[in-house]
Amino acid sequence: SAVISQKPSRDICQRGTSLTIQCQVDSQVTMMFWYRQQPGQSLTLIATANQGSEATYESGFVIDKFPISRPNLTFSTLTVSNMSPEDSSIYLCSVTYSGANVLTFGAGSRLTVL
Amino acid sequence: GNSVTQMEGPVTLSEEAFLTINCTYTATGYPSLFWYVQYPGEGLQLLLKATKADDKGSNKGFEATYRKETTSFHLEKGSVQVSDSAVYFCALSASDSWGKLQFGAGTQVVVTP
Repeated sequence: SAVISQKPSRDICQRGTSLTIQCQVDSQVTMMFWYRQQPGQSLTLIATANQGSEATYESGFVIDKFPISRPNLTFSTLTVSNMSPEDSSIYLCSVTYSGANVLTFGAGSRLTVL
Repeated sequence: GNSVTQMEGPVTLSEEAFLTINCTYTATGYPSLFWYVQYPGEGLQLLLKATKADDKGSNKGFEATYRKETTSFHLEKGSVQVSDSAVYFCALSASDSWGKLQFGAGTQVVVTP
């Protein structure tokens, strides 16, 4: 299965600032996704990162708040913009291959917004 | 829409006890079903999966059977260890939206020596 590296693993941010999370995969993957896990809660899909085009966002998530890039088959970034304490969460990158019925997750990026 | 319902935790057990975590789902068509585990301070790992009715997924002594008639995918382990202490998530992927997992709320399991 794919090996996923996320950076940063954790960060403490100030209200109103933005932070970009990177997701690097060790092999070419078909699909990449970004999930959010708020404290003590389950995971929610933010968006599907599409190579070379705009991401596909789930209900309740918008591009202005969570801009996503995916310039190639192995790399994606998620930016959390204009952060507030409510954005304090673990953000997880996940990937899958065509025909592989398994989703692999990165270790996550734990953001704390003060 | 699709949804997953898990029993609430925390579930506290003694070592070598039998563990069951109930999971039921609502979905159209034939979803794939998964159990993921999150150990303290770590990321999410796939524990087991089942892709069609009556399939049994198994791994590390854990088992779950895809029951379409009861729309369930209960997780079981016959004899838990302290190292099984973690949060367990049931999830489904609808047949028409692969990769978009719908997660249950998660069940924390605490195994004491």
